[in-house]
Amino acid sequence: QVQLVQSGSELKKPGASVTVSCKASGYTFTQYAINWLRQAPGQGPEWMGWINMYTEHPAYAPGFTGRFVFSLDTSVSTAYLQINSLKAEDTAVYYCARHVVPTDFDQWGQGTLVTVSS
Amino acid sequence: EIVLTQSPGTLSLSPGERATLSCRASQSVSTSLAWYQQKPGQAPRLLIFGVSSRATGIPDRFSGSGSGTDFTLTISRLEPEDFAVYYCQQYTGSRTFGQGTKVEIK
Repeated sequence: QVQLVQSGSELKKPGASVTVSCKASGYTFTQYAINWLRQAPGQGPEWMGWINMYTEHPAYAPGFTGRFVFSLDTSVSTAYLQINSLKAEDTAVYYCARHVVPTDFDQWGQGTLVTVSS
Repeated sequence: EIVLTQSPGTLSLSPGERATLSCRASQSVSTSLAWYQQKPGQAPRLLIFGVSSRATGIPDRFSGSGSGTDFTLTISRLEPEDFAVYYCQQYTGSRTFGQGTKVEIK
């Protein structure tokens, strides 16, 4: 079955970097774009952007440019989210989600909690 | 940015009752509107896409309707597993989510 499995929770200090991975299985990885979303405590999800599986070109939503980096390793069917210069307000659960037409986000990873605290 | 406003914030109902959740967009999203269910500690789960199409495996007690800027998710008879938070989402180009409606047990 289709699965997106994310890496485990992270505790980081302000100014550090973190990388979240999202490993896909059960389908052809390059067939559907991977999107990244953030959900702060008590809030709805917020779309961060997506990565083109063929060109590996990322597209970032407003507010997620500069410190956020999307990448792929198609040899292991894995997408990555790197966040640099972490701030306390980056504390959230980060999700990867598969984009399929016409359903949009039909499959989500289980989420990765990133906590930024000194 | 298209803003989605959901109402009510919380809906207190008993199992077996009908739930009606609303989502209003700040501008037309055509038919690019989805609904998700989220339970504590879990990822959102796609229920409805294209305003009214149920995702794979979603029971028919869930239905979506609306057009343009006003949309509704209806749960015809609440089952115990339906008590959760529900989000609407538009996907016209960028993506935005509403702030959610919590359906809680009365």
